[in-house]
Amino acid sequence: TQLLEQSPQFLSIQEGENLTVYCNSSSVFSSLQWYRQEPGEGPVLLVTVVTGGEVKKLKRLTFQFGDARKDSSLHITAAQPGDTGLYLCAGSRKGDSGNTPLVFGKGTRLSVIA
Amino acid sequence: DADVTQTPRNRITKTGKRIMLECSQTKGHDRMYWYRQDPGLGLRLIYYSFDVKDINKGEISDGYSVSRQAQAKFSLSLESAIPNQTALYFCATSDGPTGQIYGYTFGSGTRLTVV
Repeated sequence: TQLLEQSPQFLSIQEGENLTVYCNSSSVFSSLQWYRQEPGEGPVLLVTVVTGGEVKKLKRLTFQFGDARKDSSLHITAAQPGDTGLYLCAGSRKGDSGNTPLVFGKGTRLSVIA
Repeated sequence: DADVTQTPRNRITKTGKRIMLECSQTKGHDRMYWYRQDPGLGLRLIYYSFDVKDINKGEISDGYSVSRQAQAKFSLSLESAIPNQTALYFCATSDGPTGQIYGYTFGSGTRLTVV
């Protein structure tokens, strides 16, 4: 059973279009993170959201944490070819000895065509 | 130099062979992790260590073992490699108290093929 469900799995769009990627769970997370991974490299952190309802913006990227801290979304405005990559959401929950290690969604592979 | 260095970057090995993947970090972080990435399956946790004396199994630890030789070094071993262990392996580190804010730092990965 996948703890974090990401959708869509694949997305191919034209340059200039907007898109939204979703990360959903039935579990509550103390924080959710979004990473971007390029071929041949490890994931790189984009943002962390920790408060229910929180919205963070990173240039053309907008991240939102659901009010109940069970879901998150990533919205990209006016996508560019440089946004192409694998986007991963990852969450941490409260455990007996602090926050648990991150669990990852399966990822959304985005391709932006010029 | 990279903050998290994994060696080797690529490895092809035969079924039944023992293989070790190594990870070293210069971040000074206490926490280290080994993940495995397969197409369409995301990253799955194999083992993790919160400090030198602490080793914990992750979601998919069967067939793997680890050693935390020092704060900076965390190695992953496949005692008897099998073809379904063919995957991309990532080592990551985090600062304990603030890992949920500053995230994990990943190495560039080791692509392992078991034939």
